[in-house]
Amino acid sequence: DTGVSQNPRHKITKRGQNVTFRCDPISEHNRLYWYRQTLGQGPEFLTYFQNEAQLEKSRLLSDRFSAERPKGSFSTLEIQRTEQGDSAMYLCASSPGWAANNYNEQFFGPGTRLTVL
Amino acid sequence: SQQGEEDPQALSIQEGENATMNCSYKTSINNLQWYRQNSGRGLVHLILIRSNEREKHSGRLRVTLDTSKKSSSLLITASRAADTASYFCVCGMGGSNYKLTFGKGTLLTVNP
Repeated sequence: DTGVSQNPRHKITKRGQNVTFRCDPISEHNRLYWYRQTLGQGPEFLTYFQNEAQLEKSRLLSDRFSAERPKGSFSTLEIQRTEQGDSAMYLCASSPGWAANNYNEQFFGPGTRLTVL
Repeated sequence: SQQGEEDPQALSIQEGENATMNCSYKTSINNLQWYRQNSGRGLVHLILIRSNEREKHSGRLRVTLDTSKKSSSLLITASRAADTASYFCVCGMGGSNYKLTFGKGTLLTVNP
């Protein structure tokens, strides 16, 4: 399967612990995105990479959150000192580096469901 | 991208019936995409319609766009239980559409 993959699929942690999620995008895609989704809501944009450069971070991304894409391939999202409000589904998506005809179809991974106790 | 608002919030139909969901938006768009999310296949792009198009088909899906009313509709014909999912519209503004803005979606339940 050459789609976007995310690991782990589920993570349960205690409040105050640090967690790290990994995303492997479709191999030829230059752009990588992180979204967060809570129950009953649509996904909310967190951050975006073009190759290894992080080009935008949402205000939702507090200083406890950090994302990296060191070699322009896979990405990690780390949450430090987790809080119960961080419980959500964390989705990763990727897209080609070019936007044909000015639109941007994104390919989503299955997500990592985080539960903070 | 700007946030579209899907309507209704929830829709329940019987297998074989048609399902129609709507999307409204506030400012001019370059294109509009529909995504589907279910537990089986996750979040998947369904179809895109550009601002100079009025109607587009893909299999059992039909999308219309009325730029004068700033609205779009997604019609699923001959629905199946596997169509049970949340459906989101995402409006593209043109330029670098790198950020998708989702609304709350329409939760469609197709009963066998």
